[in-house]
Amino acid sequence: DAGVIQSPRHEVTEMGQEVTLRCKPISGHDYLFWYRQTMMRGLELLIYFNNNVPIDDSGMPEDRFSAKMPNASFSTLKIQPSEPRDSAVYFCASTITGRGRGDEQFFGPGTRLTVL
Amino acid sequence: AQSVTQLDSHVSVSEGTPVLLRCNYSSSYSPSLFWYVQHPNKGLQLLLKYTSAATLVKGINGFEAEFKKSETSFHLTKPSAHMSDAAEYFCVVSLNTGTASKLTFGTGTRLQVTL
Repeated sequence: DAGVIQSPRHEVTEMGQEVTLRCKPISGHDYLFWYRQTMMRGLELLIYFNNNVPIDDSGMPEDRFSAKMPNASFSTLKIQPSEPRDSAVYFCASTITGRGRGDEQFFGPGTRLTVL
Repeated sequence: AQSVTQLDSHVSVSEGTPVLLRCNYSSSYSPSLFWYVQHPNKGLQLLLKYTSAATLVKGINGFEAEFKKSETSFHLTKPSAHMSDAAEYFCVVSLNTGTASKLTFGTGTRLQVTL
């Protein structure tokens, strides 16, 4: 298996532009998570999906952020309009239920976003 | 509520010497605990996990961790450091939501390995 795939790996954009980050989870996994990593705040959970349905988006910082999962193999995280403080590394992770408590999450390589 | 505290933001060891990365947790329930490693410009990789089975957990690359409920600790150790161990290490506690687990990450410990 190729693991969790994220694209692009690096994104540089200007303030006010729309940014779309993409994620392909591991085939067969039914949970997908979006995280943000910054020096100031560490790793934060933004939102997660189960069977393509958003379950908890309490970590989404504000309305400029939105996430979708149109099917089991694809998810997007969109920022519109982007701001310099959105600069961070964004990780996608997936997991599969049925293994009991403490399910391991498999992380993608991340997208490094820089907003100028 | 649940949280983890990584007691050292930076640890430096010489190659071939033991590694100790400290983690304390707080959880209202019996926790599941993990250690993840992040190499520069890479994603996170699971090192090991504790899920209420054996209290001494062995992971990949010679790492292990011991769950001590009385001390609310889950310290990560390795007998002999290798240069390739230089990375950021995250202690993580899991809140089981009934289906999937929500992870709460510590602030990370950067391990430096010197010759």
